[in-house]
Amino acid sequence: QVTLKESGPALVKPTQTLTLTCTFSGFSLSTSGMRVSWLRQPPGKAPEWLARIDWDDGKFYSTSLKTRLTISKDTSKNQVVLKMTTMDPVDTATYYCARTNYLNNWAYFDYWGQGTLVTVSS
Amino acid sequence: DIQMTQSPSSLSASVGDRVTITCRASQSISNYLNWYQQKPGKAPNLLMYAASTLQSGVPSRFSGSGSGTDFTLTISSLQPEDFAIYFCQQTYRNPFTFGGGTKVELK
Repeated sequence: QVTLKESGPALVKPTQTLTLTCTFSGFSLSTSGMRVSWLRQPPGKAPEWLARIDWDDGKFYSTSLKTRLTISKDTSKNQVVLKMTTMDPVDTATYYCARTNYLNNWAYFDYWGQGTLVTVSS
Repeated sequence: DIQMTQSPSSLSASVGDRVTITCRASQSISNYLNWYQQKPGKAPNLLMYAASTLQSGVPSRFSGSGSGTDFTLTISSLQPEDFAIYFCQQTYRNPFTFGGGTKVELK
């Protein structure tokens, strides 16, 4: 059974760095083809993809946010960590991690964590 | 980035109605199109990928079609558990982008 769960602070101050951890089970990021993405969803808005890390340590970032994001993995702990610098109130959102699956060339997010609400406020 | 536009942004329907949601891409994405359903306080749930392939466990009243820039999600007979927000997503090119969502409400 595949599960993912996000953890991190519920409140961060403007200009601070946010660190979120995704702890997952039911698959391994050392297995060829496995990938995990981070997404966020501001209240009442659509999801936005942020970053992805692959089994071979390939890393991909949102075009508009790439200068602020760093994604990493700890395969032994089944964890993926996302760091976002220079937080601003507009970054207030629910942050999700999701397994990114590929069937041939079609990608989709088939398992998601429950999400963690991060509020940016002084 | 590829822009995804959904219409309508919301609709009101009754149980048993046939519902159609449209998604348009700003450029051709072949059939690299996913649909998700999201209920309040929950993560999005994958309904369909490759424009028309149902994810395991999704009821057959959901269907998808389209290719290129225009896509539709159809619910053949709306059930009480289908009242939710629906998002399309393209996976043709990074970054994978979502439509703005369509909220299906009870009439």
